Amino acid sequence: AQSVTQPDIHITVSEGASLELRCNYSYGATPYLFWYVQSPGQGLQLLLKYFSGDTLVQGIKGFEAEFKRSQSSFNLRKPSVHWSDAAEYFCAVMYNNNDMRFGAGTRLTVKP
Amino acid sequence: DGGITQSPKYLFRKEGQNVTLSCEQNLNHDAMYWYRQDPGQGLRLIYYSQIVNDFQKGDIAEGYSVSREKKESFPLTVTSAQKNPTAFYLCASRLPEAFGYTFGSGTRLTVV
Repeated sequence: AQSVTQPDIHITVSEGASLELRCNYSYGATPYLFWYVQSPGQGLQLLLKYFSGDTLVQGIKGFEAEFKRSQSSFNLRKPSVHWSDAAEYFCAVMYNNNDMRFGAGTRLTVKP
Repeated sequence: DGGITQSPKYLFRKEGQNVTLSCEQNLNHDAMYWYRQDPGQGLRLIYYSQIVNDFQKGDIAEGYSVSREKKESFPLTVTSAQKNPTAFYLCASRLPEAFGYTFGSGTRLTVV
């Protein structure tokens, strides 16, 4: 069955430090891949997406993600984290042009 | 500005009562979705609709019902058959040719 795994439930980083959030998917072909961010009590905002082509995609707020086919991964990165980046992050994959599956999310805490 | 409006933001319901959550969009999107979010479980698909007067069950449709009489509106009814309705509910929409979803800000339902 298709699935999305975010291995880290909670990550704490210091402000200014680099960040990497992990995402792995299980599917026979390359799905469409997304990262969303959610602030408490709010909806989800799209950070970036990958359909095809260059495996390193740039998104909003200084985030980027790299698709690695051999590892079935789509990890999210940011070189220097800001306190305002504290939120929950969801990786999502879309299959068959309609069925989007979400990971369980990673909560990011930023230490001053 | 275009977007998705969910109302109310907070909703309290007594056990045994049905309650309807509103979702309205002015983005002219064809497809609309309802997700349920519980801590540590990510988003789970309840129902979705790709066109007016048509909708399909998602992974956890039991105890829920929907209608799609207008393109702009996709209300969700949480019935008394839903055993554990307390959760955060998110509505989303998208165009067929675009793959990212636009999310509303959510409704938090609490059964008292």
